Parts: sequence; C-alpha cells; structure tokens
Amino acid sequence: QQQVKQSPQSLIVQKGGISIINCAYENTAFDYFPWYQQFPGKGPALLIAIRPDVSEKKEGRFTISFNKSAKQFSLHIMDSQPGDSATYFCAACTSGTYKYIFGTGTRLKVLA
Amino acid sequence: DGGITQSPKYLFRKEGQNVTLSCEQNLNHDAMYWYRQDPGQGLRLIYYSQIVNDFQKGDIAEGYSVSREKKESFPLTVTSAQKNPTAFYLCASRNSGGRNEQFFGPGTRLTVL
Repeated sequence: QQQVKQSPQSLIVQKGGISIINCAYENTAFDYFPWYQQFPGKGPALLIAIRPDVSEKKEGRFTISFNKSAKQFSLHIMDSQPGDSATYFCAACTSGTYKYIFGTGTRLKVLA
Repeated sequence: DGGITQSPKYLFRKEGQNVTLSCEQNLNHDAMYWYRQDPGQGLRLIYYSQIVNDFQKGDIAEGYSVSREKKESFPLTVTSAQKNPTAFYLCASRNSGGRNEQFFGPGTRLTVL
C-alpha cells in the first residue's frame, strides 16, 4: 500500500512533442505529490508539486494532472526540448510525516 | 550560497569497513533525509530526521546508522552489516514551513571493493 507505481520506464519524444509520465498510488492518506528531475550524476531537483484539493497545476511547460478517485497523477511536459532529457521521479507522502515514497523513475530522451 | 553539501563525491572502501558519509546544510531546515539510489529502483529512504536529536528508520535502515547532533549536519554511517553497500547516496533537507519543499544534495557514489 506504500508503493508508488511509475510508468513508462523510458520514453523517447521528438523535440516539440508532449512527454507524459504516469504514477499511481494506493495509500489514500497521501496528500502531497511532487515531481523531481534528475540529470546524470546529480541530485534530484523539485520540478512541480500538487496537493489533492486541485485537479491540475501548471508551471511553464510542466503540468501535473491529478485524479483523486483513480489515485493517479501524471506529469505533462509540453513542447519538449533536448534539455529536458533527464530522469523524472514522482513521489508521494503525507503532510504529517513527510516520509516520501518515490516511483522507480522514467528516463526521458528528447530527440533534436 | 545556501545549499546542501555532501562529501566526498566518490568514495571507495574495502569490504568489511565502516564508512561515514557527510551531509551538511545551511538552509536552516529542520528535517533531513538519507536515500539510496540504485539503477531501476528509484530512491529508497534509509533514515530521516524531523528535528535535532531525533531520527526514524526508513524502509531500508538495516546496516546503516545516523546521528543528528546539530541542525545542519546529518552523517550516515554504512556499516559492515550492510550486505550490498555499493550505491549512490543522496542527502536531502526540507523546510518545515511554507511550501515544505525537499532539496537534495549532489550525492556520494560509494563503491565497496
């Protein structure tokens, strides 16, 4: 029940296309859902996060869609660029403990 | 510059030796975390600390130990009891107020020979 399942494992997108990464969870106590971007050999960096009181959050080219009833959330990268090529992780936690559970990651490659 | 520093970036040890990984933050964050990252397995929580002098086990604490004697420091010791210690280790801290964002350090790659 503590798992966060992330798909796909890898993704190849053409420059200018839309990249979509999906995550699903089971623990209904989760109430904070961040996405992180990680470049090789570096620590992850927070990209965008959402709480379940909204169904969508947009920051620049990055959008989180959240479906509370389905217990799923996804990251959409619009107008994908080669510089977006990285590994993306979704995560979930409860605001009481802030003990984060991470997905297994999606390696995104954007072709020039 | 405010941030999280981890040292060293690369660390080599012989099997059976204990090794301590350093993590320092000057962000004045109360909470700190240690994660282990292996290929294809995402980040797994080893230990976390919400406040000085207090810490809790994460999902894979066996073979590891931590201390939190100072707010800015959260060292991780990888003991000889850890069966497969070769991995990329990430330290993070979180601001307890406001947006509650978690910030990561650059990581330490530990190789046990």
